[in-house]
Amino acid sequence: NAGVTQTPKFQVLKTGQSMTLQCAQDMNHNSMYWYRQDPGMGLRLIYYSASEGTTDKGEVPNGYNVSRLNKREFSLRLESAAPSQTSVYFCASSGKLAGLRETQYFGPGTRLLVL
Amino acid sequence: SQQGEEDPQALSIQEGENATMNCSYKTSINNLQWYRQNSGRGLVHLILIRSNEREKHSGRLRVTLDTSKKSSSLLITASRAADTASYFCATEAGGTSYGKLTFGQGTILTVHP
Repeated sequence: NAGVTQTPKFQVLKTGQSMTLQCAQDMNHNSMYWYRQDPGMGLRLIYYSASEGTTDKGEVPNGYNVSRLNKREFSLRLESAAPSQTSVYFCASSGKLAGLRETQYFGPGTRLLVL
Repeated sequence: SQQGEEDPQALSIQEGENATMNCSYKTSINNLQWYRQNSGRGLVHLILIRSNEREKHSGRLRVTLDTSKKSSSLLITASRAADTASYFCATEAGGTSYGKLTFGQGTILTVHP
């Protein structure tokens, strides 16, 4: 199993350009998440999807949109990139087994630089 | 805003010593988790402790939780150079916040050979 995969690994954008970050998991997890991590900071939740067909805002949703394409895939879109969106973006997933909450499994991250 | 506050921000020790990191939070929680992040990598889950638990062990890791003080600690015993990483606490708030984690700013641990 690959776990959580993210593409691309690294991207440079100019201010105003758009792009979509892709995330996929092969663990049959219900929930998926997008975080951003800025230097010296912990992770901040951008959007999450508790189950296929639902999405909700996290702590820092402005400037982003998401799509839960199916149970496996959860994409993050920047419609008009700004330098403030320079960050490392992590996707994560979690499941629910036998009534117990599970932990989150993280992808390797996408490093985004907006010039 | 960050719910978890971690202390210290950085910790430097010699191999074989113990490392203790602390985390404080503000609201009631369902559980508290600790994650590790090696430089340039994603986070890896270490241990989860539920709000009705006070202590948990996993290998060289020991986690305590004091809900009355809204604090947790992570102890790594007999540290190794390979333990060098950033360590984050994350809380799942009580109520309907299932699955939503709030992360602290992390403790950077350096273990010198």
